[in-house]
Amino acid sequence: GAVVSQHPSRVICKSGTSVKIECRSLDFQATTMFWYRQFPKQSLMLMATSNEGSKATYEQGVEKDKFLINHASLTLSTLTVTSAHPEDSSFYICSARGFTPYGYTFGSGTRLTVV
Amino acid sequence: AQKITQTQPGMFVQEKEAVTLDCTYDTSDQSYGLFWYKQPSSGEMIFLIYQGSYDEQNATEGRYSLNFQKARKSANLVISASQLGDSAMYFCAMREGPVSVTGNQFYFGTGTSLTVIP
Repeated sequence: GAVVSQHPSRVICKSGTSVKIECRSLDFQATTMFWYRQFPKQSLMLMATSNEGSKATYEQGVEKDKFLINHASLTLSTLTVTSAHPEDSSFYICSARGFTPYGYTFGSGTRLTVV
Repeated sequence: AQKITQTQPGMFVQEKEAVTLDCTYDTSDQSYGLFWYKQPSSGEMIFLIYQGSYDEQNATEGRYSLNFQKARKSANLVISASQLGDSAMYFCAMREGPVSVTGNQFYFGTGTSLTVIP
């Protein structure tokens, strides 16, 4: 149980276009979803926390107009990278609280390459 | 100050040997949780082990054990009988506050790259 499905796993897009990444909790309701970004050989950095039905909370330095987060239902949160640029190329991964008493389940990640 | 510190960017271990990956943490909370995750080259984060701040016993999960020294604020991961499939990045993480609070974020260390040598 406690599976978070993240799609797409890999995407290549042209500079200036937008990309949507989905994270779906398959067998539980995720009231809170965390979105992380990871540059090569670096740690996960929290970008924002999304709560179902309310506006996301962004970490300092993260542009909320560029990284749009929508958490419209208890099972789906989306991250849209708008007007992507090569510097947005990174690994994006979501995480939600699962059914285990302490376990936060991660999605499998999305590797974004902007060309 | 860094919440989680992993001082070993890279480690090598012979197959079938044990290896310890270091992690120290910084918090003023009394209630917190410590986690270890494995990240293979494919990118997914695989949960390995959890230690609660009030747990008196060191956590163990199969070949993984967590050497929890509260006074030293350290939570080292011990992998016994290393296997080639253990080669990956390993991240130590902490979540502050009680387990019942769902909104608290994780703080991750910078990771340790483990290579198991045949």
